[in-house]
Amino acid sequence: KNEVEQSPQNLTAQEGEFITINCSYSVGISALHWLQQHPGGGIVSLFMLSSGKKKHGRLIATINIQEKHSSLHITASHPRDSAVYICAVRWGGNQFYFGTGTSLTVIP
Amino acid sequence: GAGVSQSPRYKVAKRGQDVALRCDPISGHVSLFWYQQALGQGPEFLTYFQNEAQLDKSGLPSDRFFAERPEGSVSTLKIQRTQQEDSAVYLCASSLAGVQNIQYFGAGTRLSVL
Repeated sequence: KNEVEQSPQNLTAQEGEFITINCSYSVGISALHWLQQHPGGGIVSLFMLSSGKKKHGRLIATINIQEKHSSLHITASHPRDSAVYICAVRWGGNQFYFGTGTSLTVIP
Repeated sequence: GAGVSQSPRYKVAKRGQDVALRCDPISGHVSLFWYQQALGQGPEFLTYFQNEAQLDKSGLPSDRFFAERPEGSVSTLKIQRTQQEDSAVYLCASSLAGVQNIQYFGAGTRLSVL
């Protein structure tokens, strides 16, 4: 079975800390998507990548194809970053397979 | 509108009742996706449209689930004879063209079946 695993499941950080969320998958992929979901709110796409590294503001996403692993980094974290971060991968075809998410709480 | 719009935001149904959930994608987006998200889980793929064509319905859990997009814009997900296990948030997403583009998600419809 193709799987997407995220770690940690829950993360609490102090404001200003550097945060890393990890995503591992079992077989080679066509694309990987990092998403942000606020409680009671919708899902916002952060990045879609298939290789290398992307940066937007304080967010950085990297992917290592050989190791089947991606990381989402948040620099200078802020309470408004508190949300669930979800990794989704596409192996081919039309379906994205989602991890169960990492719940991040940033304390002022 | 500027984003993907879903209605209703909340729906409570009695077991056995039929429900219809609506999705208005971003104008001009060719592709439309439906997902089901159970409490504490990540979303799971249900079905995918390109314009009015339903290209993939492999994620629909049973024949009680039916989706359509007759004019290639608004889509409706219908669930017949709802069961308690259908309780979930149903998410709609659209993208410019195909799975290779970023998907933009609606806020979802929370369905509770009593």
